[in-house]
Amino acid sequence: GAGVSQSPSNKVTEKGKDVELRCDPISGHTALYWYRQSLGQGLEFLIYFQGNSAPDKSGLPSDRFSAERTGGSVSTLTIQRTQQEDSAVYLCASSLFPGGTQYFGPGTRLLVL
Amino acid sequence: QQQVKQSPQSLIVQKGGISIINCAYENTAFDYFPWYQQFPGKGPALLIAIRPDVSEKKEGRFTISFNKSAKQFSLHIMDSQPGDSATYFCAAGVGGGSEKLVFGKGTKLTVNP
Repeated sequence: GAGVSQSPSNKVTEKGKDVELRCDPISGHTALYWYRQSLGQGLEFLIYFQGNSAPDKSGLPSDRFSAERTGGSVSTLTIQRTQQEDSAVYLCASSLFPGGTQYFGPGTRLLVL
Repeated sequence: QQQVKQSPQSLIVQKGGISIINCAYENTAFDYFPWYQQFPGKGPALLIAIRPDVSEKKEGRFTISFNKSAKQFSLHIMDSQPGDSATYFCAAGVGGGSEKLVFGKGTKLTVNP
């Protein structure tokens, strides 16, 4: 596909469970970003990957959140021991180069019961 | 320092009218100001962006006005159409690019036919 894809599109989980969210960036894009969008709120930056550089994790809200990017392409955001306040839409974006236009995927809607 | 304040939260405009959304920022290091449009169930999409070396940028019916001294920028949608009904987010970035965009909380625009 031509755009950023994310899976699953929806995820319902129980409090305390771990979840993994996947992002497939646009082919050839070197930069990848994760954001969180809570109801009625703007997008909150979580983490940024650029090539082989160490990721910028400054936006991760707690040590329950982690992310990796394998082979400079696919990325996985993991939330351990989910809490109800983790319920949100998790958006992934990629750009051709740092500072380039960010193209967003459709997001994963996470509901923690 | 890192906040971007957006107003109004919601806006209702008649078809053919002008929609105006305002944003203000504090961090003078910001040098990239994009606007994103988001339809329900979709990720945000870049609409138009401006850098502080110009005071206005126009693309079709969409215009960004930028006031560097006041640290404010706004989106004007001329001849608003029902298809423009969406949520609009302003954002700001540092370092000549768009890493770690800071987003406003969004404005839900409804254009009545």
